[in-house]
Amino acid sequence: DAKTTQPPSMDCAEGRAANLPCNHSTISGNEYVYWYRQIHSQGPQYIIHGLKNNETNEMASLIITEDRKSSTLILPHATLRDTAVYYCIVRGNNAGNMLTFGGGTRLMVKP
Amino acid sequence: GAVVSQHPSRVICKSGTSVKIECRSLDFQATTMFWYRQFPKQSLMLMATSNEGSKATYEQGVEKDKFLINHASLTLSTLTVTSAHPEDSSFYICSASDGVENEQFFGPGTRLTVL
Repeated sequence: DAKTTQPPSMDCAEGRAANLPCNHSTISGNEYVYWYRQIHSQGPQYIIHGLKNNETNEMASLIITEDRKSSTLILPHATLRDTAVYYCIVRGNNAGNMLTFGGGTRLMVKP
Repeated sequence: GAVVSQHPSRVICKSGTSVKIECRSLDFQATTMFWYRQFPKQSLMLMATSNEGSKATYEQGVEKDKFLINHASLTLSTLTVTSAHPEDSSFYICSASDGVENEQFFGPGTRLTVL
């Protein structure tokens, strides 16, 4: 699976949009971009995934560049409960494909 | 989303004892389960992948005789840490996939402390 690069940490003001970038320049054509987050001392939580098109669900939006070499996860109105480590992962869309976690981005939402 | 549970959530044991951690998929059948380990301030590291009814596949550097994995049913996988030592103290997390949806659903984790 392709490797991803994320900034180690970011701050965001409560109520503002949090934009978390991810670089995946070696992504191949059949690989999806997945985002998970991990709140302290809990298991990871699935957020969203996409292949080419931008995706939106009740939690977040995922913007993937046209060349697919990078993406941005957007939390439209960050709350204190969104403070977590956010992981961007690239993998094939096979349920058996493992998830390889990198360092992630530690997002701190501040009042 | 689907629910995955782990038991126990926290365990403290003496060095040299064995500890069993259970991972259950509560509302779906998990054809594949994954076991991860996470040390403080580090990311999750995959230990092994198990498919129901077959032997687990271990990642490089993970001792299969020390970390015994059993996936005997479509809703239960167990990880047994044998002869635990303080360096095995970690946060152990399982995830499960139903083989249909391309998501992995994670359990809440088990914190193991070996004294």
